Amino acid sequence: NAGVMQNPRHLVRRRGQEARLRCSPMKGHSHVYWYRQLPEEGLKFMVYLQKENIIDESGMPKERFSAEFPKEGPSILRIQQVVRGDSAAYFCASSPPRGVGEKLFFGSGTQLSVL
Amino acid sequence: GENVEQHPSTLSVQEGDSAVIKCTYSDSASNYFPWYKQELGKGPQLIIDIRSNVGEKKDQRIAVTLNKTAKHFSLHITETQPEDSAVYFCAAAEDQTGANNLFFGTGTRLTVIP
Repeated sequence: NAGVMQNPRHLVRRRGQEARLRCSPMKGHSHVYWYRQLPEEGLKFMVYLQKENIIDESGMPKERFSAEFPKEGPSILRIQQVVRGDSAAYFCASSPPRGVGEKLFFGSGTQLSVL
Repeated sequence: GENVEQHPSTLSVQEGDSAVIKCTYSDSASNYFPWYKQELGKGPQLIIDIRSNVGEKKDQRIAVTLNKTAKHFSLHITETQPEDSAVYFCAAAEDQTGANNLFFGTGTRLTVIP
């Protein structure tokens, strides 16, 4: 059973470009969470999605950031018109349906560098 | 909202010694406290967790204690080994299913010196 798969592992973008980060949850998991980690800091919650639904996006900046988890395919975190401050490690986590005593399983992250 | 503080930020121990990492939380409604280990270039991995209905939980060389009155919890690693070197994060949430309400500490970089 493959774990949470994120790609790319490293992404370099110039200011003003778009960044698209992908996350495939573990098999059987229908809940996806995105976190951002700045150097020497903990993980900050960004958004929580189920298939075709955004459940909680309270941690995501209102502008330039969006996320989706379509019926088919991976979850996508999209950052438009990137700025240097967007440079960080972005982690995706997945869990089974809530109420089953689920735990979070994290992917290896995408390191975004904005030049 | 919840605020989780973690100390120390870095910790070096000799192989075989014990390591203790401490966290405090602010929201008395929090009742689920997981600990994650993050190795270089990898995502955090859950190593142990505790709920507020117990005061201590142990899994081989790892143990976690919880003092709900004082709102602090600690990770104890005994007989440390070089492979224990990693960054450790504590977290707190109101319940186990509220992963979108999981608040992380800032991490402790543990180095075990052979």
